[in-house]
Amino acid sequence: LAKTTQPISMDSYEGQEVNITCSHNNIATNDYITWYQQFPSQGPRFIIQGYKTKVTNEVASLFIPADRKSSTLSLPRVSLSDTAVYYCLVARPDYGGSQGNLIFGKGTKLSVKP
Amino acid sequence: EPEVTQTPSHQVTQMGQEVILRCVPISNHLYFYWYRQILGQKVEFLVSFYNNEISEKSEIFDDQFSVERPDGSNFTLKIRSTKLEDSAMYFCASSVPGRVNTEAFFGQGTRLTVV
Repeated sequence: LAKTTQPISMDSYEGQEVNITCSHNNIATNDYITWYQQFPSQGPRFIIQGYKTKVTNEVASLFIPADRKSSTLSLPRVSLSDTAVYYCLVARPDYGGSQGNLIFGKGTKLSVKP
Repeated sequence: EPEVTQTPSHQVTQMGQEVILRCVPISNHLYFYWYRQILGQKVEFLVSFYNNEISEKSEIFDDQFSVERPDGSNFTLKIRSTKLEDSAMYFCASSVPGRVNTEAFFGQGTRLTVV
């Protein structure tokens, strides 16, 4: 599976839009891009997944350019409670749906300040 | 909202002792997983389980580890002879099969401390 690279940390202020970019140069045709969020002492939580172009849900948007070698997670109007670690993963869902291929990196530690 | 539940939330054990970490996955899920996270480090995959057998395991999941689904609801991780380096948060997760599904639901974790 493709290795991902993302910033180690980011700072933001309440009410701002935060964009976290991840690179995955060796992404394969069958791979999806998925993002998880983790609060301290809690398990990771799925945020969003996408294959190409733009995906939006009630929490975030995910922008994927045509070459799919990078992706950007966009969090609109962050609040203090969005302070967490955000993981970009490249995952290969198969017909069995096994998530053993959820390989977590170090993630981006987002700190939201008042 | 359905959730994965794990017990206990914190387990302290002496080196060399056996521990069993317990998980109740979401009821209609068919894939079950264990991950661990050593303090300050990344989340690491241990094992996945489907149809009453291990489907994938990592290099970390050696002979001291085993998993079991003893009944229709519980999913357990057993560590036979704990070592100091087994101290970590252990997360159970579950998912539904899906051709384009990369969403796994994680529990709150069990903090294992080996002394």
